[in-house]
Order: sequence, then structure tokens, then C-alpha cells
Amino acid sequence: GQQLNQSPQSMFIQEGEDVSMNCTSSSIFNTWLWYKQDPGEGPVLLIALYKAGELTSNGRLTAQFGITRKDSFLNISASIPSDVGIYFCAGPSSGGSYIPTFGRGTSLIVHP
Amino acid sequence: NAGVMQNPRHLVRRRGQEARLRCSPMKGHSHVYWYRQLPEEGLKFMVYLQKENIIDESGMPKERFSAEFPKEGPSILRIQQVVRGDSAAYFCASSALAPANTGELFFGEGSRLTVL
Repeated sequence: GQQLNQSPQSMFIQEGEDVSMNCTSSSIFNTWLWYKQDPGEGPVLLIALYKAGELTSNGRLTAQFGITRKDSFLNISASIPSDVGIYFCAGPSSGGSYIPTFGRGTSLIVHP
Repeated sequence: NAGVMQNPRHLVRRRGQEARLRCSPMKGHSHVYWYRQLPEEGLKFMVYLQKENIIDESGMPKERFSAEFPKEGPSILRIQQVVRGDSAAYFCASSALAPANTGELFFGEGSRLTVL
């Protein structure tokens, strides 16, 4: 089945630093989604991408839909302590159902 | 609160007991999804339901697990004869449109099942 590989698995950074994480797929996607999960909570959608090459921002977050349609990147600028959490990429499953498949996540810890 | 509501938030069961997890989707949403999250892992799809119908249950274990989304009331994920390996966080999500028309799922806060 299709796989989503996220990297890095975890990041430990200082407040104010920029963060970059990515996600690659074994198959072509028509949609890329980035979710954030705070500790003890459910995932919340951050950014949705629908077109190859698309670059979309949401405040300090910027995500890009890779040209090959097999990857996506999420950048966070000037990180703050509340950015702590797990960031998941997701894309529609293959086989016709289009139900989002999630990567294993990138865990972000921000030191004040 | 117009969000996805899940209950209970925490559930403790002994091996062999039954667990019932409930999910009320966002108002106006008729598509419901259940995902399972094990510690240090991502979300694994279990089942997708639309009112009164199971659309895709490809992620559901073949035994002991069942799901329903009746015409009236919340969606229910039922786990019979629980085992320790069932301990996980179970998340429900809903969407207004079918997955082919949107990838934007709205998640509840999850139900955390612990099997002793």
C-alpha cells in the first residue's frame, strides 16, 4: 500500500528558530494536508494544498506542494513555545476511496 | 460547541470487557471516520461511515471491532472482548463532503482506551 514518510521524526529547537519538515509519498497525490496535534488533543488542519507547485501560507506557517506531486514541505518561521506538538502530513489514499492517509508525524519541541 | 464531540475522553477496561466509543460529528457533517493512534505512531484509518452505511472498513480488524452510524444519534465504535493491544487513542473525524471532494477532516479530541 501507499506510504507517507515524514522527516525528521523529531526536532528540538530554540525559540525563534525556523523549522522545516517534509513528507514524501510512494505515489502521486492530488492533495496534501498538514495537521498539528497538540498533546492530549485531536489533530487540527493547518494547511491544505491542491495543486502541484502551490505555495500556501497560514501566519508563520508555509507549505508547498512539490512539483513531482510526491512530496510536500512545511516550514515554520520564528518558532514559539506554543508550536510544540506533532505535525502530520496526510494525503488521499490510493484505491479509490480518497480517505486521508497520515504520516507518522514530526514531533517538535521548542525550548524557550 | 459545534465541533466533533467524542466520549468518553478516557476509558479503562479489563481484558475481555467491551468498550463503546461515541462520536457526534460537526453539525451538518454526514461523513464520519474513525482512526486509531498508538503511542509514538501516526493515525491509522479504521472505518469510514455515512449515515446508516459503512462505506469503507478496510482498516478495521476482522474480529471484535464494529462501527455504526445510525440515522439518529452518534456514531459508535465498539470493541468486544478487549485485549491489551487495543489500548490506544481512538479519534473520530467528520467532513461535510465525501473524501473524493475534500481532504479536510475535522477531528474530535479522542477517546483514550486503556486495557488492564
